[in-house]
Amino acid sequence: KQEVTQIPAALSVPEGENLVLNCSFTDSAIYNLQWFRQDPGKGLTSLLLIQSSQREQTSGRLNASLDKSSGRSTLYIAASQPGDSATYLCAVSNYKLTFGKGTLLTVNP
Amino acid sequence: EAGVAQSPRYKIIEKRQSVAFWCNPISGHATLYWYQQILGQGPKLLIQFQNNGVVDDSQLPKDRFSAERLKGVDSTLKIQPAKLEDSAVYLCASSLDLGDRGSTDTQYFGPGTRLTVL
Repeated sequence: KQEVTQIPAALSVPEGENLVLNCSFTDSAIYNLQWFRQDPGKGLTSLLLIQSSQREQTSGRLNASLDKSSGRSTLYIAASQPGDSATYLCAVSNYKLTFGKGTLLTVNP
Repeated sequence: EAGVAQSPRYKIIEKRQSVAFWCNPISGHATLYWYQQILGQGPKLLIQFQNNGVVDDSQLPKDRFSAERLKGVDSTLKIQPAKLEDSAVYLCASSLDLGDRGSTDTQYFGPGTRLTVL
């Protein structure tokens, strides 16, 4: 059974800092890995999708890496802003999406 | 482009009552998903439809939950009777892919329905 773990559970940083969110998964037989953002009272927004054959994906200030063999992914956020405050969820796909519990990020002005 | 629509946004019921949630996916999306997200947890897949057929309902509590997707478009998720532990946000998502070889396409999520069972 696939299990996804996200560390840390919560993170508070001052504005402008670069930060890294971590995700690990137990079964490396995945099709892809996705990072989502969830704002309070709202649904999930897909940020980045990394296919199993890829090593990383970038979108603006976000960079996600994937090491399938070791079951790890990181989401790097550069020059964080208060608007980045949200819960970030990692999910792996091996037929269906399995989510981690998320990291609650707070960026303080 | 219109996103995934869900209604109602909030629902409060007593235990043992019944409740239904509605979802309208993005036009043209073949695959529709219902997830349950309990506070502090990640979403858990309840059921996955490909057009109007069920692809995966292995985590759906079938003694009380049911879902249908008529004509391969809108979908309804029903709980009858509700229990206290059903309190959660119910998320609907859709994607372009056929879902038969894994979720290879991006899933687009609706805003969710927050259910409180008293």
